[in-house]
Amino acid sequence: AQSVSQHNHHVILSEAASLELGCNYSYGGTVNLFWYVQYPGQHLQLLLKYFSGDPLVKGIKGFEAEFIKSKFSFNLRKPSVQWSDTAEYFCAVKTYDTDKLIFGTGTRLQVFP
Amino acid sequence: NAGVTQTPKFRILKIGQSMTLQCTQDMNHNYMYWYRQDPGMGLKLIYYSVGAGITDKGEVPNGYNVSRSTTEDFPLRLELAAPSQTSVYFCASSLRTYEQFFGPGTRLTVL
Repeated sequence: AQSVSQHNHHVILSEAASLELGCNYSYGGTVNLFWYVQYPGQHLQLLLKYFSGDPLVKGIKGFEAEFIKSKFSFNLRKPSVQWSDTAEYFCAVKTYDTDKLIFGTGTRLQVFP
Repeated sequence: NAGVTQTPKFRILKIGQSMTLQCTQDMNHNYMYWYRQDPGMGLKLIYYSVGAGITDKGEVPNGYNVSRSTTEDFPLRLELAAPSQTSVYFCASSLRTYEQFFGPGTRLTVL
């Protein structure tokens, strides 16, 4: 069965530090890839998505992610985090043989001023 | 557009009670989904629907039922509430299988 792994469960950073959150998936075929963010007490919102084309995708609020097909990875990056980036981040994958998204278990990011 | 709306926001149930979580979307999306979110577990798909009159099970359907009589509404029914169903429930919708839009969630506690 397809799965999505987010190895960083909890990340603590100071403001202005750089961020990289890992996401790996297990599926050999074509995929659509997503990063969602959930701010405290709120619902999930889309940060960015990859369907095809340039493997480096840019999203909202200065986030970007790179799809590396050979590594089955879609890591999320931000050069300089802010306190307002404190949230939980979810990676999700949709394979072409299903109508469903498979979510990772999430990474909780805490940014301290 | 209101997007995806869910009611109620919070609910406490006693074991064995039943309830319906409501979900409505006004984006004319054909796909709708119900997830539950438990701490450290991510989101698990309960049921989904690809259009009115069509529903299918997700990863964790036991103890739940759904119906989809209209494009807009996708209610989730708990027939005999159990403590294991204490969770936050999110409804989502999408146009075909593109980006999913999420509702604000319902926090359910079963005591």
